[in-house]
Amino acid sequence: DIQMTQSPSSLSASVGDRVTITCRASQGISTWLAWYQQKPEKPPKSLIYAASSLQSGIPSRFSGSGSGTDFTLTINNLQPEDFATYYCQQYKSYPLTFGAGTKVEIK
Amino acid sequence: EVQLVESGGGLVQPGGSLRLSCVVSGFTFTTYWMSWVRQPPGKGLEWVANIKHDESERYYVDSVEGRFTISRDNAQNSLYLQINSLRAEDTAVYYCARHFGREMTAVTAITYWGQGSLVTVSS
Repeated sequence: DIQMTQSPSSLSASVGDRVTITCRASQGISTWLAWYQQKPEKPPKSLIYAASSLQSGIPSRFSGSGSGTDFTLTINNLQPEDFATYYCQQYKSYPLTFGAGTKVEIK
Repeated sequence: EVQLVESGGGLVQPGGSLRLSCVVSGFTFTTYWMSWVRQPPGKGLEWVANIKHDESERYYVDSVEGRFTISRDNAQNSLYLQINSLRAEDTAVYYCARHFGREMTAVTAITYWGQGSLVTVSS
């Protein structure tokens, strides 16, 4: 199985900050990577697919990059509605696997 | 508007069975891969199973292989998850999810999620 390791597990940031979350795959997955956002008691929301392509309706302050084993989710100009937990997921091979999540909290 | 609505969750005793349903609308169900993803209380996401748009391929995470069965009824715009031999560790919110892209030959990222259905396994 491909293990997905996210770092940090949590971070504190202020409105207007730039936030970077890292996801590392235990083996190469090309760009078969997605990012999701989840708020408490809500289902996940899809943000990015193919490592860097924004899902429809997602603000341009979200961006993704990387290929192979190392990936990054960047949130520019952090907004109040961005405080949530973020998960990466690989879909290169089965079983599809998620990272453990990164919780973005208000400083 | 794309909608995925799960039902069928509840409290079940260990060893029991349950069938989760997901009725979808707002898109052509017959052309998309579909998945079930679960989330134990207070924990992260775990992909459980998925099924290709034409039902020709199904995949499962090892921990549910042989106990869970994913199926779909394209005429009813419905996805199902039959869960047997339930264990305490199966307690979770189960999400129905639609993947990206029509008639894809391989699985892609998830684009849409349902609201979830809670399954609690306890005596």
